[in-house]
Amino acid sequence: EDKVVQSPLSLVVHEGDTVTLNCSYEVTNFRSLLWYKQEKKAPTFLFMLTSSGIEKKSGRLSSILDKKELFSILNITATQTGDSAIYLCAVLLTQGGSEKLVFGKGTKLTVNP
Amino acid sequence: DAGITQSPRYKITETGRQVTLMCHQTWSHSYMFWYRQDLGHGLRLIYYSAAADITDKGEVPDGYVVSRSKTENFPLTLESATRSQTSVYFCASYGGTSGNTIYFGEGSWLTVV
Repeated sequence: EDKVVQSPLSLVVHEGDTVTLNCSYEVTNFRSLLWYKQEKKAPTFLFMLTSSGIEKKSGRLSSILDKKELFSILNITATQTGDSAIYLCAVLLTQGGSEKLVFGKGTKLTVNP
Repeated sequence: DAGITQSPRYKITETGRQVTLMCHQTWSHSYMFWYRQDLGHGLRLIYYSAAADITDKGEVPDGYVVSRSKTENFPLTLESATRSQTSVYFCASYGGTSGNTIYFGEGSWLTVV
């Protein structure tokens, strides 16, 4: 069974801290790994990672994929209260000739002032 | 405007009633997905579709029916709603080409009383 596991499930930090969110996966026919940020509504796209070892960066957020060890991390430096959200990791995989996206349960990040 | 839209956004219905949630996308994406999101479970895949007239079950398909007669529409029907189907439902679409990301609708909040 395809599985995506995120850790920690919940994290509380102070503004200015750096956080690392983890995502491991066990899937057949991996295509890509995606990170999303979800506040009170629909998930919004952060990163799509397909190749191992290549860091993707957007402002204070960065992410990297390790296809050998089957995991990805999402780093947020100098956290702000606006970073408070649920961060979702998902794996795009192929099955029976089509593709599907499987999510982890998410990490709830709370950044306190 | 281009995008992915869901309707209704909010719905209260009674146990045993049939409910249809609509999803419409304007990108002509081949793939469309339906997820439900519940506390403690993250986003769980209900059904997905690789193209018009092709649909596949996800993790939690029981109690739901989908159809895809046109590429741009992917309605989700609860044939006889139950209280356990109270949830937030998200539709997503994807072009299916490497490098394309997956976009989500704004969500449909369904309460079954």
